[in-house]
Amino acid sequence: AQRVTQPEKLLSVFKGAPVELKCNYSYSGSPELFWYVQYSRQRLQLLLRHISRESIKGFTADLNKGETSFHLKKPFAQEEDSAMYYCALSGLTGNQFYFGTGTSLTVIP
Amino acid sequence: EAGVVQSPRYKIIEKKQPVAFWCNPISGHNTLYWYLQNLGQGPELLIRYENEEAVDDSQLPKDRFSAERLKGVDSTLKIQPAELGDSAVYLCASSYLTGTGELFFGEGSRLTVL
Repeated sequence: AQRVTQPEKLLSVFKGAPVELKCNYSYSGSPELFWYVQYSRQRLQLLLRHISRESIKGFTADLNKGETSFHLKKPFAQEEDSAMYYCALSGLTGNQFYFGTGTSLTVIP
Repeated sequence: EAGVVQSPRYKIIEKKQPVAFWCNPISGHNTLYWYLQNLGQGPELLIRYENEEAVDDSQLPKDRFSAERLKGVDSTLKIQPAELGDSAVYLCASSYLTGTGELFFGEGSRLTVL
C-alpha cells in the first residue's frame, strides 16, 4: 500500500539556519513526489515536484529511491518560510495523490 | 482566474442534520478531488472524478456521504446525517487529466458538527 510518512509534526529553526523536513514513502512502483505548502490563511499550493529538479524559494528536494525518501531542504531559513509543509506522492496514472500528515515549520527571528 | 472555488467556507450544524458542499474547479480541469482534512492531519482522499465519472471512491463512507459531478464541471459533496466525527475541513482540488501532476486546491469548507 502507498504511504507517505513525515516524522516531525513540528520543527523550529532560527532564521539563517539550515532546515530539512523529512519525508519517507512506500509505493510499489515509481511514484512522483511533491512538496505542497500552506501558508497562514492561504490555500494549499504546490511548492516543488521531483521531476522538475528545480529550486523554489531556495528549497530543493532530492528523490532517493534507495532510502525511499524525499527530504525538503533549504540552506538558510527565512521567517516567511514558516508554514505547514506536506509531502505528497502520485501514483501510476498521475492522478492519484497521497499526502503525509504534514510538518509545521516555524522560523524564529 | 479565481482558482478553485468552494462554498460555504464555514458551516455549523447539529448532529443528524444534512450538509452540502459545493466546488467549482478551474475551467478545463478534467479531474476533481474531494479531500477530508482532520485537525493535525494531511488531506485524505474521499473521491476522485475524471470528468463526470467517479473513478476512485473507495474511501468515501457511502452510508452517509454522497457526491456528484454533473456535466463534469461543478461538484457537490453531501453528508446526511452528519455525525460529530465529521467535523473537519473538506477540500476540493482539480487538475488536468494528463497534466504536470499539480493539484490546485480551493480554500476549503470547515464543518463543525455540534
